[in-house]
Amino acid sequence: EDKVVQSPLSLVVHEGDTVTLNCSYEVTNFRSLLWYKQEKKAPTFLFMLTSSGIEKKSGRLSSILDKKELFSILNITATQTGDSAIYLCAVLIYTYKYIFGTGTRLKVLA
Amino acid sequence: DSGVTQTPKHLITATGQRVTLRCSPRSGDLSVYWYQQSLDQGLQFLIHYYNGEERAKGNILERFSAQQFPDLHSELNLSSLELGDSALYFCASSVAERQTSQETQYFGPGTRLLVL
Repeated sequence: EDKVVQSPLSLVVHEGDTVTLNCSYEVTNFRSLLWYKQEKKAPTFLFMLTSSGIEKKSGRLSSILDKKELFSILNITATQTGDSAIYLCAVLIYTYKYIFGTGTRLKVLA
Repeated sequence: DSGVTQTPKHLITATGQRVTLRCSPRSGDLSVYWYQQSLDQGLQFLIHYYNGEERAKGNILERFSAQQFPDLHSELNLSSLELGDSALYFCASSVAERQTSQETQYFGPGTRLLVL
């Protein structure tokens, strides 16, 4: 059965800390891995990764994929209270079906 | 505001009933995706339509069906509702048939369904 596992389930840090969120997967016919941020309501798209070893960056957020070890990490540097959210990882497989992890709940304290 | 609209915002109904959730994608977007988010199962992909045609199916129950109309709005029909169908239902839209790293998928605000 296709599976996406995120860790940790939740995390509390202080402003200015750096955090690393993990996403591992076991799927048939991997196509891409996606990261989303979900604050109060709807998710917002962060990154889509298809190739191993190529870092995607957006401001203080960056992500990388390892297709050999079947995982991805999402790094957030110099965290701010506005980074508090649930971070979702999803894998897109070749049937164009998305499989989501349960998410990591991040809380950043002032 | 993502530009994706969903109606209604909230819906309370009884077991056994049938409901229709509506989604209007962003102007110019041809793809519509439906997702279900419940407390115990997290976010789950249900179905994807592109320009009126079904493109991918996820964990969508047989009691659920969807369609995308010529004006590109989409409806998700849920029938013979059960308590476990209570969830937040999101619709998302994007321009192309297949999501790429250059293309964002925009989510609507969701419809919260409560089945009593």
